[in-house]
Amino acid sequence: AQSVTQLGSHVSVSEGALVLLRCNYSSSVPPYLFWYVQYPNQGLQLLLKYTTGATLVKGINGFEAEFKKSETSFHLTKPSAHMSDAAEYFCAVSEDIGGGSYIPTFGRGTSLIVHP
Amino acid sequence: SQTIHQWPATLVQPVGSPLSLECTVEGTSNPNLYWYRQAAGRGLQLLFYSVGIGQISSEVPQNLSASRPQDRQFILSSKKLLLSDSGFYLCAWSLRGNYGYTFGSGTRLTVV
Repeated sequence: AQSVTQLGSHVSVSEGALVLLRCNYSSSVPPYLFWYVQYPNQGLQLLLKYTTGATLVKGINGFEAEFKKSETSFHLTKPSAHMSDAAEYFCAVSEDIGGGSYIPTFGRGTSLIVHP
Repeated sequence: SQTIHQWPATLVQPVGSPLSLECTVEGTSNPNLYWYRQAAGRGLQLLFYSVGIGQISSEVPQNLSASRPQDRQFILSSKKLLLSDSGFYLCAWSLRGNYGYTFGSGTRLTVV
């Protein structure tokens, strides 16, 4: 079974500072990786995804993530944090259950806190 | 375009009462459907998934059940709620292949 580990349940940064949210995964096959963002009392919104090809993936709201196979990592970054980035972030890896269907396994989430 | 509807947004139910949460998807056909529960600080727990009408797979034994009576309708039910059933329930859908998952806006269930 695949698994996802998000290091740090809370990350605190100042507005304008670099955002780095860490995600490590375990998978016996080439992984499909995702980052989602969740604002309070809302569903999850896809930020970006890696399937194949370029290992540096750009997403919405200025976020990007780099797939590093040797480190089994998919860390999420943003050069300059905005107050509006404060939210819960989830890393996920997809597991192939056959028939072209996949099930995502999510990490426990990282709460990003942005200080003025 | 595809949309996913989930209702109600909030629900307060007494212990021992039944539950029915509904999720519908529009603008696509034969989606994969998922129910997740999110407890405070515990991430997302996959409860059920379905790859077709009447096909339900359960990930965690519990007090809940799911049904898919129509292609784009996914229902989460319970005959008798427990206090531990409280949480934020999320429905999601995806297409065949691995293109990501689209989530509904969630239902906040409080069992009292």
